[in-house]
Amino acid sequence: QSALTQPASVSGSPGQSITITCTGTSSDVGGYQYVSWYQQHPGKAPKLMIYEVSNRPSGVPDRLSGSKSGNTASLTISGLQAEDEGDYYCSSYTSSSTVIFGGGTKLTVL
Amino acid sequence: EVQLVESGGGLVQPGGSLRLSCAASGFTFSTYWMHWVRQAPGKGLVWVSRIHSDGSSTSYADSVKGRFTISRDNAKNTLYLQMNSLRAEDTAVYYCARDLGNYLPRDAFHIWGQGTMVTVSS
Repeated sequence: QSALTQPASVSGSPGQSITITCTGTSSDVGGYQYVSWYQQHPGKAPKLMIYEVSNRPSGVPDRLSGSKSGNTASLTISGLQAEDEGDYYCSSYTSSSTVIFGGGTKLTVL
Repeated sequence: EVQLVESGGGLVQPGGSLRLSCAASGFTFSTYWMHWVRQAPGKGLVWVSRIHSDGSSTSYADSVKGRFTISRDNAKNTLYLQMNSLRAEDTAVYYCARDLGNYLPRDAFHIWGQGTMVTVSS
């Protein structure tokens, strides 16, 4: 099964908003609410930012929000800050009872 | 402090075997589903396997099915990944991760270890 589709890179200036998309199929993103988003800094373990499409774990700022429409999930970061820079990955449960990740998106804060 | 610490990585020849361990502390290990996720150098995250909180159910990515075995010892608070018939494409940092959910999986990886590097090369 191929990875979920994410843009390779996005960028924005401090204070702006950006959106990262994650496109799958009806067998994964479109079929279930188990979509998550992770942030990863170089050389570090990933950090869970959003789970079940739109929920934030404790400690994640409300500047981050998640949504889903059809087979595409989205992560929006508003009020962009330097600390938001990093790689972002989406993941989804699949109809095969496995988990699939997106290819990752590099977020650059200009 | 909630913590996961992986060990057991290293250099192994193609066709060889390796067993990874993940020591858990700071939470009730026996109530959480656990996962292994890997990341090849410079590449993205790839889910490898999942195990039920009591070890009764497991799932694997197609790329490792039949070669890797996930297991756990709840008395020792330790998760394992036995890797056999290793290939060059298995070269990656292997992370263990705790599911967000208690008893029921939510396939959201809330707590991560620091990772252990596995290199498959002759």
